[in-house]
Amino acid sequence: DAMVIQNPRYQVTQFGKPVTLSCSQTLNHNVMYWYQQKSSQAPKLLFHYYDKDFNNEADTPDNFQSRRPNTSFCFLDIRSPGLGDAAMYLCATSRDGGGWQPQHFGDGTRLSIL
Amino acid sequence: AQSVTQLGSHVSVSEGALVLLRCNYSSSVPPYLFWYVQYPNQGLQLLLKYTSAATLVKGINGFEAEFKKSETSFHLTKPSAHMSDAAEYFCAVKADTGRRALTFGSGTRLQVQP
Repeated sequence: DAMVIQNPRYQVTQFGKPVTLSCSQTLNHNVMYWYQQKSSQAPKLLFHYYDKDFNNEADTPDNFQSRRPNTSFCFLDIRSPGLGDAAMYLCATSRDGGGWQPQHFGDGTRLSIL
Repeated sequence: AQSVTQLGSHVSVSEGALVLLRCNYSSSVPPYLFWYVQYPNQGLQLLLKYTSAATLVKGINGFEAEFKKSETSFHLTKPSAHMSDAAEYFCAVKADTGRRALTFGSGTRLQVQP
């Protein structure tokens, strides 16, 4: 089945140690999104790629960056994780055919900071 | 600007009872509306979407939602709750303004009592 795959499912890193989260998709969708979801909260959009065009949300900290080397893969880099960055990170994709196109989510990576 | 309000952060029903999860939206242009479900430690799964084709939308797992423009509502219902319906439910809105981001509500946790 076509899907959105996130690796790893669980990631533990040390305070200040850079970490990279991975997302791949077999849907061939133009748009890939990264969300941060803290406990009992709604997902919060960090940024998204439309093809190779990067779109950052205004309130996304500089500590968070992203790369999309090709259509299938997208990475979230956290340069110096702080305790407040512990969260579930969700990757999503959509076919940008209009506002009605739904987003398809991966199962997320739960990030813990020691 | 667009926003979503979900009334009731927690809803508890008995197995076999009606499920009603409330969602009200605000949008300056005709919206696209979505309901997603999230099971523990998983990503978001699309339940259904409103794209203006029909005001009553049927989704997966027996859920449906009705778009009521006069009430700016898009409430989610299921006639008979099942234990497997216990999860977090998110309502989301997207305005067709070229901005691709979804705006999520704060979520409603559904508990199903035996």
